[in-house]
Amino acid sequence: DTAVSQTPKYLVTQMGNDKSIKCEQNLGHDTMYWYKQDSKKFLKIMFSYNNKELIINETVPNRFSPKSPDKAHLNLHINSLELGDSAVYFCASSQDRGFRTGANVLTFGAGSRLTVL
Amino acid sequence: EDQVTQSPEALRLQEGESSSLNCSYTVSGLRGLFWYRQDPGKGPEFLFTLYSAGEEKEKERLKATLTKKESFLHITAPKPEDSATYLCAVQRGSNDYKLSFGAGTTVTVRA
Repeated sequence: DTAVSQTPKYLVTQMGNDKSIKCEQNLGHDTMYWYKQDSKKFLKIMFSYNNKELIINETVPNRFSPKSPDKAHLNLHINSLELGDSAVYFCASSQDRGFRTGANVLTFGAGSRLTVL
Repeated sequence: EDQVTQSPEALRLQEGESSSLNCSYTVSGLRGLFWYRQDPGKGPEFLFTLYSAGEEKEKERLKATLTKKESFLHITAPKPEDSATYLCAVQRGSNDYKLSFGAGTTVTVRA
């Protein structure tokens, strides 16, 4: 059973298009995240939701919009894609946001590689 | 702004050649320091959490240590299957408990 699954794994699209990446976790975790990993392997947090509530909203263009319909799902929609959006996007989850010791250990999905042409 | 700096960027080792990776950090009220392993084409996988200076954790050939300013990941007698990118992250003890990652050290172990 895959703990954190995200789809699609690969996404190739043209500049200006809109695309979505979906994420689901079956771990019963309360907190979910979107991270962006650039070509230099640097992982940068974009958003975090705790029980469907947005708790971290880093400085990202407002073309990026997360949506959490329930605590097991966190989707990422990107409007008007640009070349610089090309990266690997990782979804992750944790037991909670870190209140309890050990509860902020992240379980990551396999990543979605977005290529904008 | 929390900062995590990992060195070296890349490390090439012969099988059995022990070495250490460094993670230096500045964070507002460290709540925890995490080590993750990332294989090509996969998501990072959790290895250790360290909470206070002086703490050590071990798993197979890996040993992580923590001081007030840095953490080390020691790889003893590495094998080719230890080849991966090792990521360090710090969690601050504030309202959002944000986790900030370093850029990683890519370790290649040759047989």
